[in-house]
Amino acid sequence: DIQMTQSPSTLSASVGDRVTITCRASQSISSWLAWYQQKPGKAPKLLIYKASSLGSGVPSRFSGSGSGTEFTLTISSLQPDDFATYFCQQYNSYLWTFGQGTKVEIK
Amino acid sequence: EVQLVQSGGGLVKPGGSLRLSCAASGFTFSNAWMSWVRQAPGKGLEWVGRVKSKTDGGATDSAAPVKGRFTISRDDSKNTLYLQMNSLKTEDTAVYYCTTVKIYCNGGSCYSWPDSWGQGTLVTVSS
Repeated sequence: DIQMTQSPSTLSASVGDRVTITCRASQSISSWLAWYQQKPGKAPKLLIYKASSLGSGVPSRFSGSGSGTEFTLTISSLQPDDFATYFCQQYNSYLWTFGQGTKVEIK
Repeated sequence: EVQLVQSGGGLVKPGGSLRLSCAASGFTFSNAWMSWVRQAPGKGLEWVGRVKSKTDGGATDSAAPVKGRFTISRDDSKNTLYLQMNSLKTEDTAVYYCTTVKIYCNGGSCYSWPDSWGQGTLVTVSS
């Protein structure tokens, strides 16, 4: 199976900060990567697919980049609604795998 | 608007069985691929399995930890997805989510990923 590793595991930031989360794949997955946001007690929400395509209704402050084995999710100006846990997921293989998550906390 | 309403979770003893349901609305369910993803308490997300639409063959795929114990099925007449879970183990304790699946095909290769998610249902396996 393709292993997905996110860093950092936890990130402390303030409203207005630029935030970057990294996701690394154990082998090349081309651009077949998605990002999800999850708030406590809620289902994940699709933010980004195909590494850089914005999901429906997702604010433009979210962006994704990368290809091959290294990917980033960037929030250009952190808003109060963005404090949550973020997961990457590869779908290059039909055996989907997820990163372990990055929790974005209030500094 | 896509809606996925889940039901059927609860407490079950090890070795027991449970069936989860996911009632879909707001899209053409019969044309949709669907999947199940789970999340153990305080842990990350784990793919459980998916089912293709009948027009795409209706095949199912399952993750290794549940293969042979869990069965994914669909009833297009009821717009409902099911997850039949047998021989449950304590490590199957998790919130289970159903999802719609987006598909992209290019040059004979197809790629799919979870899109809209249900609200989740908790399955607790404990004696």
